[in-house]
Amino acid sequence: NAGVTQTPKFRILKIGQSMTLQCTQDMNHNYMYWYRQDPGMGLKLIYYSVGAGITDKGEVPNGYNVSRSTTEDFPLRLELAAPSQTSVYFCASSRGTGPSREQYFGPGTRLTVT
Amino acid sequence: TQLLEQSPQFLSIQEGENLTVYCNSSSVFSSLQWYRQEPGEGPVLLVTVVTGGEVKKLKRLTFQFGDARKDSSLHITAAQPGDTGLYLCAGTAPDSWGKLQFGAGTQVVVTP
Repeated sequence: NAGVTQTPKFRILKIGQSMTLQCTQDMNHNYMYWYRQDPGMGLKLIYYSVGAGITDKGEVPNGYNVSRSTTEDFPLRLELAAPSQTSVYFCASSRGTGPSREQYFGPGTRLTVT
Repeated sequence: TQLLEQSPQFLSIQEGENLTVYCNSSSVFSSLQWYRQEPGEGPVLLVTVVTGGEVKKLKRLTFQFGDARKDSSLHITAAQPGDTGLYLCAGTAPDSWGKLQFGAGTQVVVTP
């Protein structure tokens, strides 16, 4: 199993451009998440999904959109990129409910907006 | 949002020394997880603690969940260079269906 894969690994965007960060998991997990990680700030939840067709906002959703048409894929869309969106983005998935379920993370996408 | 504060932010020690990382909050968590993250990679789960007062050991790592489920600690005995990394605590608040709230992390550097 590949686990959680993310593409691209690195990307530089100009202000106002748009892009989609791809995330795929092959563990048949229902739950998927997008986080951003800024230096010294830990991980902040952007959006999450509890299954295909169901998504909801996390802590920092502004400037982002998501969709979940299949169990495997959870792309994150950036519209009108801004310098404040420069960050490392992580996608994660988990199996199900319960307080102790483990989240499996992808390797991240490092995005710079200039 | 329930805040998790980690201390210290940075820790540099020699191989063979012991270290403790703390994760504190004023709020109660249903469970608390510890992750380790290495440069260029995503976090990897080390342990989950669920019961107040719970202590779990993973080889040289000892994890403790506070009695009131508001704090946790990670203790590493006889640290090795392979323990170098960013240690993150993450809590699940009651009635949050399991969404994780992460602390800012503690960067640990163990030099030979």
